[in-house]
Amino acid sequence: DTEVTQTPKHLVMGMTNKKSLKCEQHMGHRAMYWYKQKAKKPPELMFVYSYEKLSINESVPSRFSPECPNSSLLNLHLHALQPEDSALYLCASSQGRGLAGELFFGEGSRLTVL
Amino acid sequence: SQQGEEDPQALSIQEGENATMNCSYKTSINNLQWYRQNSGRGLVHLILIRSNEREKHSGRLRVTLDTSKKSSSLLITASRAADTASYFCATDSYYGNNRLAFGKGNQVVVIP
Repeated sequence: DTEVTQTPKHLVMGMTNKKSLKCEQHMGHRAMYWYKQKAKKPPELMFVYSYEKLSINESVPSRFSPECPNSSLLNLHLHALQPEDSALYLCASSQGRGLAGELFFGEGSRLTVL
Repeated sequence: SQQGEEDPQALSIQEGENATMNCSYKTSINNLQWYRQNSGRGLVHLILIRSNEREKHSGRLRVTLDTSKKSSSLLITASRAADTASYFCATDSYYGNNRLAFGKGNQVVVIP
């Protein structure tokens, strides 16, 4: 079982909806990540938070808005998404300042945009 | 940015056989990691090998790293049906701003 918990597991939303994906870890990790993964492709980095501050935004469209309320929680707010945004969204965490260490992934949130 | 690339892309084997997959990369690296992903699930870290290491074992897994050829291999011995998954290598390097770069992945199917 993963120690990174993501909710919801599945989400279907229309292009005008506003929804959020949530991620929680209690391993004391100080770096948290959002990845997007399309079918049969590797994960693509979206955002990295290090010590609760956004350290990397991989030129992600503004319709995706990350938030790190505290060191254990990471949210991804979704608004006005497009059908091509349908994917598996993975949260991960790592020790220290992150970027290159072992990543602990959640099970993902499967997003479908209609 | 640098990416590891695995070869072959798809592998189908009988239970009990060994499975070998390869990963190549383009620039010098700090570390190389292997992850497993079961269908529709998150990735699970398998093993990390540092650039100054040549071989590492973990249970039925054996990873080798050849920095002169810029390649790594993952061997799964005595495969089981539960090993059916996608396997990704991931590298980090100074040239990639120390970000973890995932390769394309290998799909392994173990037939019971």
